[in-house]
Amino acid sequence: DGGITQSPKYLFRKEGQNVTLSCEQNLNHDAMYWYRQDPGQGLRLIYYSQIVNDFQKGDIAEGYSVSREKKESFPLTVTSAQKNPTAFYLCASSAPGTAVYGYTFGSGTRLTVV
Amino acid sequence: GESVGLHLPTLSVQEGDNSIINCAYSNSASDYFIWYKQESGKGPQFIIDIRSNMDKRQGQRVTVLLNKTVKHLSLQIAATQPGDSAVYFCAEFGGSQGNLIFGKGTKLSVKP
Repeated sequence: DGGITQSPKYLFRKEGQNVTLSCEQNLNHDAMYWYRQDPGQGLRLIYYSQIVNDFQKGDIAEGYSVSREKKESFPLTVTSAQKNPTAFYLCASSAPGTAVYGYTFGSGTRLTVV
Repeated sequence: GESVGLHLPTLSVQEGDNSIINCAYSNSASDYFIWYKQESGKGPQFIIDIRSNMDKRQGQRVTVLLNKTVKHLSLQIAATQPGDSAVYFCAEFGGSQGNLIFGKGTKLSVKP
C-alpha cells in the first residue's frame, strides 16, 4: 500500500545534540512538507520541497535543516540552535499540479528534550 | 498570523447529537477546501473536500458547507459518536506556491 512513513515514533534529544527525523513516501508525490505541532495548537510549517534538490523555508525554519536528495525522502534535522524543540513533528506529501490537492500525512514523531 | 500559546477552541457534544464545526478562511481567491481529522498522537486524516464552485458537499455522516460571501466553511457531523472525538482542521488552497493553509483547529469532545 502507498503511504508516508515517519520514524522514529518517539525521539529523545539531549541538550546540544542534533537529531534527524526520517520521512519516506512511496506515493510518487513531488512535494513534501514538515510541520511542527505544539500541545493544543495548530500546524506550523517548517520547510517544504516542491521538487528534488530544492526546498524552501516555511514560517518557523530557524534551528532546522532539511535535504531532498531523493523524491521519496525528506529528512528533517533539528539542530542545537533550536532552543525549544520539544513538539510533535508531522511530515506530509502532495502531488501539486494534479487534481488532488490534499496532503497525505505521516503518523508523526514526538521529540522530547531530556 | 497564529499566536503562540493560543489554545484550540473546544466543542463538547452529547453522543448522538449533531456537531457543527466552523472555520473562517482568509483568502477570497482560495478555490479548494479540505477538512482533516486528527486523533490524539496521530497525523491528520482527510475527511472531505469541496471546491469553490460548490456550496455543499455530503459524505458519510459528514457535510461541508461553503459560504464564499463571508469566507466561512463548516463541517457538520451527524449522530456524533465517541470515535469522532478529535481535533478538526480546515485547510484552504489557492496560494501561488501551491501550499495548503491550515486553520487553527477545533477540538471536538463527545460525551457518552
